Amino acid sequence: DAGVIQSPRHEVTEMGQEVTLRCKPISGHDYLFWYRQTMMRGLELLIYFNNNVPIDDSGMPEDRFSAKMPNASFSTLKIQPSEPRDSAVYFCASSTTSQGNQYFGAGTRLSVL
Amino acid sequence: AQTVTQSQPEMSVQEAETVTLSCTYDTSENNYYLFWYKQPPSRQMILVIRQEAYKQQNATENRFSVNFQKAAKSFSLKISDSQLGDTAMYFCAFIVFGNEKLTFGTGTRLTIIP
Repeated sequence: DAGVIQSPRHEVTEMGQEVTLRCKPISGHDYLFWYRQTMMRGLELLIYFNNNVPIDDSGMPEDRFSAKMPNASFSTLKIQPSEPRDSAVYFCASSTTSQGNQYFGAGTRLSVL
Repeated sequence: AQTVTQSQPEMSVQEAETVTLSCTYDTSENNYYLFWYKQPPSRQMILVIRQEAYKQQNATENRFSVNFQKAAKSFSLKISDSQLGDTAMYFCAFIVFGNEKLTFGTGTRLTIIP
């Protein structure tokens, strides 16, 4: 298996622009997680899905953030409008069960100017 | 609240030496799982080792082993015969049974010196 695939690897955008981050989980994994990593706050869970259904989005910082999982092989995290404080590395991870090993993608480094 | 503490922000050792990274956690739950993740400069988060809290035997994966002390809520990682490729940030994490949220520590930056 190719592992969790995230795109793009890097994203540079200007404040106010819409940003869409993409994730393809490992086939057969029922859980998908979105994390954000910053120097100040470390790794934070933003939202996770089970069988394509959002279960807990309490970590989503603001209404500017939204996530979808239209099918078992694709998820997006959207920021609209983006702000400089959104600059971070965003990770997607997937697992087979709720307490299973989470496997991470390579992350997307987002820079909002 | 569940927390993870990694008290060593940075460590460095000579190649081939053994190094131990410390981790303590706090939870009122009895059933949980503990993990060590490695994040090399490439940024990829890589699962190193996993320990189930109900197991008394310490987990091992090749050169990596843990010292799990449930009563003390301690979960240290030992790397034997360290290699240059072990240079990375190491994160301790745990998840409580019935709760899908993985709680991470702040990480320890490990440098292996040639």
